[in-house]
Amino acid sequence: QSALTQPASVSGSPGQSITISCTGTSSDVGGYNYVSWYQQHPGKAPKLMIYEVSNRPSGVSNRFSGSKSGNTASLTISGLQAEDEADYYCSSYTSSSTQFGGGTKLTVL
Amino acid sequence: QVQLQESGPGLVKPSETLSLTCTVSGGSVSSGSYYWSWIRQPPGKGLEWIGYIYYSGSTNYNPSLKSRVTISVDTSKNQFSLKLSSVTAADTAVYYCAREQWLVYYFDYWGQGTLVTVSS
Repeated sequence: QSALTQPASVSGSPGQSITISCTGTSSDVGGYNYVSWYQQHPGKAPKLMIYEVSNRPSGVSNRFSGSKSGNTASLTISGLQAEDEADYYCSSYTSSSTQFGGGTKLTVL
Repeated sequence: QVQLQESGPGLVKPSETLSLTCTVSGGSVSSGSYYWSWIRQPPGKGLEWIGYIYYSGSTNYNPSLKSRVTISVDTSKNQFSLKLSSVTAADTAVYYCAREQWLVYYFDYWGQGTLVTVSS
């Protein structure tokens, strides 16, 4: 069982917006601004999409955004595109380790 | 452009030690700006952080694996390595090496991953 809780699946139609949540505790998500998000297509390595809660690496579309409120972080994807269909994982620093969420499968209908 | 490449046996027998090496190009494992990390993903499941090593040799491991894990670094070869002892079928996974930003804890570069199967 993952320390960070994500919905198993979310879906949306092209052009729509979706949000994936990542719920932890005050010892991880709520305690530090070191939340990151990763996109993983089948058979590929994860790709960094968001770091430090809301920062986008160079080259990542501005359709991807991150936020945090209390012990829950969120990844929002606007203007959904077929290529966004993938698994998404959140990650958070804790005082002694790094934790991942269980992952969310995004389906673009 | 930083690149990481995992290498090692794809099949390990139960109770033996899994050994993998990550070769870094386009960057240096001697840099104080990064941790060098291992992450694994069992087939069809999520990601699990294994641990990291800093250029100084200091390490930090997942508490659930700590008793079986050793991560080391070879600055002369620009490589870092993972050893996981007493493996069982539950250790079957794709193993990734990754670069983690120091003190801000995100993984910005990943290797392609290597599947290690534990089976007799």
